[in-house]
This record gives sequence, structure tokens and C-alpha cells, in this order.
Amino acid sequence: AAGVIQSPRHLIKEKRETATLKCYPIPRHDTVYWYQQGPGQDPQFLISFYEKMQSDKGSIPDRFSAQQFSDYHSELNMSSLELGDSALYFCASSFGGLPSYEQYFGPGTRLTVT
Amino acid sequence: SQQGEEDPQALSIQEGENATMNCSYKTSINNLQWYRQNSGRGLVHLILIRSNEREKHSGRLRVTLDTSKKSSSLLITASRAADTASYFCATDAAQFYFGTGTSLTVIP
Repeated sequence: AAGVIQSPRHLIKEKRETATLKCYPIPRHDTVYWYQQGPGQDPQFLISFYEKMQSDKGSIPDRFSAQQFSDYHSELNMSSLELGDSALYFCASSFGGLPSYEQYFGPGTRLTVT
Repeated sequence: SQQGEEDPQALSIQEGENATMNCSYKTSINNLQWYRQNSGRGLVHLILIRSNEREKHSGRLRVTLDTSKKSSSLLITASRAADTASYFCATDAAQFYFGTGTSLTVIP
């Protein structure tokens, strides 16, 4: 069965650079969630989208922005990268727009900022 | 914090034994989900229990939910070395909140 796809799987950037992470949800899923997991930390909710509109916002820095496109894939744009942005970034998808529906997670993008 | 809190933070058992992990949360929820994560890998959804359910089984997993105590437990029976991972509970509330995780080590 198709799963959530994230690209790239690994990304190395320097401080103050920009990074774009992509998430392709499971077919027919209309909701995408982004999470950040720092080393040894629990996952933190960043932002979610339902039907191409932002539905909820968590601890996402102002330097980050995200959107969901007409094909339901989502991109997380990260600017002015800082060392502390080094983390595993997960995308999850679900159907129905509510976090109470089961979320299916992608494998994550490991971002390293040097 | 509205995050779930897992207990214990670390658990080490022998293969074949049962492992029980607990989770407490603070707000009203619609459901609670358990996930596992192998070191440095992605999250894998294990099981979802809704607020009107008290117990749910899936293979070697048994989850209970006590909404009056705002707590849940995950029981893994007949543990295997491959069960070694971190286990998180997550609640929905208005957003999706993860707890701090229990690191389970199953010794062959």
C-alpha cells in the first residue's frame, strides 16, 4: 500500500540558508501535518493543512512557512536556518481534517544545519 | 502542558516477558494513539483508542484507556528483541500532542 513520501530523506544546509521539505500524502488523504523532532526530544507539532488551507498551528517559528497544494502535497519552507533547526521533520497525512482521525507518518527528513 | 507523559521513561525486560507502559494526559480527548519509533527512524502508528472505548487489542498489543484518570496503558505481550524501540502516546485535543516516550529494550 502507498505510504506517505517525504523528500529529501537527508538534507545538509549551512546557517542562514533556506531549505524546502516536501511531503506527499497517502492518495485520497486531504490533511497534512508537520512535526519537528530534535535529537532526543519528543515530536513537536508545527502546522497542519486541510483541503489546502491551514487548519492548525503549533510551535512553528516565524522563519518557517508551509502550504498545501492542489494535489494535496505539502511543502515546508525554512529560511534563515539556525543550528537549532537540526532535527528530524515528519510529515503525516490523514483523511477528514481532524487530528482524531488516524495519522500515517512518513519516514522523515533529517535536516542538519552546520 | 497538554502533552502525554509516559511512564516509565526507560524499561528493560527479557525476551518473552510482558512490557507495560503508561501514559497520562491533562485535557479532554477524542482519542489516544500509541506509536513506536526505532532509534533515528520514523514513527509507526500502533493503535488508536477512542474516548468511549476502555480496552482494545491488536495482535500482541493491548491498550486500555481510563478517561476518569486521564491515563492509558500499552501492554506488549511475549516481547521480542524486535520490539526494542521508543513508544509514544499522543492525544488529539485541539492539536496532536506527543508524550516524552518510553524507551523499551528487550534483551534476547
